[in-house]
Amino acid sequence: GAVVSQHPSWVICKSGTSVKIECRSLDFQATTMFWYRQFPKQSLMLMATSNEGSKATYEQGVEKDKFLINHASLTLSTLTVTSAHPEDSSFYICSARDPAGGPSSYNEQFFGPGTRLTVL
Amino acid sequence: RKEVEQDPGPFNVPEGATVAFNCTYSNSASQSFFWYRQDCRKEPKLLMSVYSSGNEDGRFTAQLNRASQYISLLIRDSKLSDSATYLCVVNYRGGGYNKLIFGAGTRLAVHP
Repeated sequence: GAVVSQHPSWVICKSGTSVKIECRSLDFQATTMFWYRQFPKQSLMLMATSNEGSKATYEQGVEKDKFLINHASLTLSTLTVTSAHPEDSSFYICSARDPAGGPSSYNEQFFGPGTRLTVL
Repeated sequence: RKEVEQDPGPFNVPEGATVAFNCTYSNSASQSFFWYRQDCRKEPKLLMSVYSSGNEDGRFTAQLNRASQYISLLIRDSKLSDSATYLCVVNYRGGGYNKLIFGAGTRLAVHP
């Protein structure tokens, strides 16, 4: 199946700093990528849909000025957590669809390994 | 009401047991259905899609009842390696959206 990578896999930062997380599709081009957040023992919550060449679509309750998304190429989307605070500590996961995968895989998303963010 | 609801478990079963997970979804416009598996501190991985006719993949059987908005997963002959959290996932398309909605997951622990 298609492979998605994330970097870094974990990061610890001080409160008030900004953190950038990269999501790459390694063997396919992804016009759409998704950013999720997962708190302990909770489900993955979609934060935003990242569209190559256009603005991201944010879910209700997600601050677009705090979580900056850039999808500058067909293989890379970045999420920047600006002025991070301890409550932003979470597991951030990206995913992507492979548009060339055919009808049977149209709705399948391939997930990156996640980035564990800890804000002190 | 949550869009996708699952029994959180945990389900503690011995090796070889049969275990069933249930899931309900609230949006009747949901179009595709999946079971994902997530190991501790890892990303979710697709276990299987779920079709109205029901489908089987080895020891795993998934069922979908659109009228009841109910999805199930049956695991036969449980293995230690089946221990994980099982996520019920629904794909919703509409209003310009095409996105996955995740249940909170049901945790399975298989013991010797």
